[in-house]
Amino acid sequence: QLQLQESGPGLVKPSETLSLTCTVSGGSITSTTYYWGWIRQPPGKGLEWVGTIYYSGSTSYNPSLKSRVTISVDTSKNQFSLNLNSVTAADTAVYFCARKNILYTHWGYWGQGTLVTVSS
Amino acid sequence: QSVLTQPPSVSAAPGQKVTISCSGSTSNIGNNCVSWYQQLPGTAPKLLIFDNNKRPSGIPDRFSGSKSGTSATLGITGLQTGDEADYYCGTWDSSLSAGGVFGGGTKLTVL
Repeated sequence: QLQLQESGPGLVKPSETLSLTCTVSGGSITSTTYYWGWIRQPPGKGLEWVGTIYYSGSTSYNPSLKSRVTISVDTSKNQFSLNLNSVTAADTAVYFCARKNILYTHWGYWGQGTLVTVSS
Repeated sequence: QSVLTQPPSVSAAPGQKVTISCSGSTSNIGNNCVSWYQQLPGTAPKLLIFDNNKRPSGIPDRFSGSKSGTSATLGITGLQTGDEADYYCGTWDSSLSAGGVFGGGTKLTVL
């Protein structure tokens, strides 16, 4: 059974960098069949796609965040990570990691999500 | 402001049927398959419908999906109190700013 688990600080100061890791278990992140992604949800609001990575390191990012976001993959640890720099209160959200088949448009597996608050 | 447009809320009585609409454009819904997610309070979204009208294993046939042009619809029949949740549509956008897109979510209240 595939499981995704987000981890990282729950509190980040304004202007600093938000860093999260998603650990994949029950499946290999090097599978050629899947993309891995980050999706966020501000409190009381809807879902926003942040970005996606393939095991090879190929990435795509939300244009509204592209200048501040980096997603990377560590195949040796079966993990992928999110870095979002120069954060503001608007980046406060629950951050989910998820998996998508390369041939389809839906996100089939999600992590439980982790709340990151940007505050001094 | 979300790329896909959903009504903020819908409501119906137990046992009744409800539909939730999702409107987009040719660059997203018009040229890509739509998925639907159910999000119970404090939990991660759960895939309900993929490829416009397919249900993952374990999703009851009370949930259905359809797509026409640049719009999609989620239908739920035989409403139960446990269906009270937020529902999101999603797809991919093939424009220059390609990527995942979602609707703003619809709160379903089972009266």
